Amino acid sequence: EAQVTQNPRYLITVTGKKLTVTCSQNMNHEYMSWYRQDPGLGLRQIYYSMNVEVTDKGDVPEGYKVSRKEKRNFPLILESPSPNQTSLYFCASSLYGAGSSIPTDTQYFGPGTRLTVL
Amino acid sequence: GENVEQHPSTLSVQEGDSAVIKCTYSDSASNYFPWYKQELGKGPQLIIDIRSNVGEKKDQRIAVTLNKTAKHFSLHITETQPEDSAVYFCASMTTDSWGKLQFGAGTQVVVTP
Repeated sequence: EAQVTQNPRYLITVTGKKLTVTCSQNMNHEYMSWYRQDPGLGLRQIYYSMNVEVTDKGDVPEGYKVSRKEKRNFPLILESPSPNQTSLYFCASSLYGAGSSIPTDTQYFGPGTRLTVL
Repeated sequence: GENVEQHPSTLSVQEGDSAVIKCTYSDSASNYFPWYKQELGKGPQLIIDIRSNVGEKKDQRIAVTLNKTAKHFSLHITETQPEDSAVYFCASMTTDSWGKLQFGAGTQVVVTP
């Protein structure tokens, strides 16, 4: 089954304790992205990656890191979490036709990770 | 940068009636407009999308219209059913920022039997 998976689904942690949220897709998609969802703000992009070893900042990258060493995985790293990073996080992927004149835009989302930082 | 406004924030409709959600965008370079449905406890799921070279697109009970001049696009759900109850998000993407979706704040739709 084609899907985007995230782990963990729920996480409660304390300020300053480094954590990683994993994201994996099995659709051989080149493009992957992380969003956070907060009430009244919709989804805001944190980081995205066009391909392996290619990452770029979204709209709210402060306090987050990412890496893209393999095509299927795109972990989100919080080096020193703070309470304002309490949120619902989504990973997404899409097929980016590198070299194609018609990039495919549909983004597929994972089930979400609810993070609470105390 | 692009700004997407979505209205209303909540929408209650009787089963069988139609629902309309409207979004406006600011960047005239935007050329891709997807709509996502998010059910409780799940990630957003694409339900329909439209590109800037098309004015309207339909898929069974849902349709999206785009007015490039006015910079707004709308989602229309006809013959609503209880399973249409969810949060709906509009989004936009520009040609020079491929992959960077800008989302609206969302609309909570409640369909009452």
